[in-house]
Amino acid sequence: SQQGEEDPQALSIQEGENATMNCSYKTSINNLQWYRQNSGRGLVHLILIRSNEREKHSGRLRVTLDTSKKSSSLLITASRAADTASYFCAGAGSYQLTFGKGTKLSVIP
Amino acid sequence: AAGVIQSPRHLIKEKRETATLKCYPIPRHDTVYWYQQGPGQDPQFLISFYEKMQSDKGSIPDRFSAQQFSDYHSELNMSSLELGDSALYFCASRKGSPGTEAFFGQGTRLTVV
Repeated sequence: SQQGEEDPQALSIQEGENATMNCSYKTSINNLQWYRQNSGRGLVHLILIRSNEREKHSGRLRVTLDTSKKSSSLLITASRAADTASYFCAGAGSYQLTFGKGTKLSVIP
Repeated sequence: AAGVIQSPRHLIKEKRETATLKCYPIPRHDTVYWYQQGPGQDPQFLISFYEKMQSDKGSIPDRFSAQQFSDYHSELNMSSLELGDSALYFCASRKGSPGTEAFFGQGTRLTVV
């Protein structure tokens, strides 16, 4: 199975609530990156967390990384309707960036 | 700031035809990745280049080939196109070590009819 498996695959929440998406990976990574994709559009880089970091914040985003469990989570606080998109994590090795299946987040106004 | 440029944005080809997709990385970026994303699917890694040499290979069919040129732009050549090749094809670039973020282009939507 693939590196970067997302959990859950679909998430529907009310505006203002927090959204948490989890990701697991299988091989060694240099860093783990989270991306956002609006339907049929390009991938937008959100945040990168290095393998020696445990937590990172950027605005309303909070990412954690547990290398012992090979897992990461992305928390979006105070969600907005505009956050509706698919979110992917990707493990970065030396030459490859491997994506998982993505979580489709729907934020209901 | 300059971003990753992909051309064309949309392409319609018939079965068994050939297609060439182009990617222009951000200036001074030395690594290029190619991905294929089918409808409702996650991006699948195809191939990557570092300093004009192939650095890694993923699930790229034998009918596809790619190269990175001296100016660092890259081309993905797809021959004997099949209906299943219809997808979004993304190119990404990054600079330097694996610890840096990758920037993606807007993608080329290929439709094979």
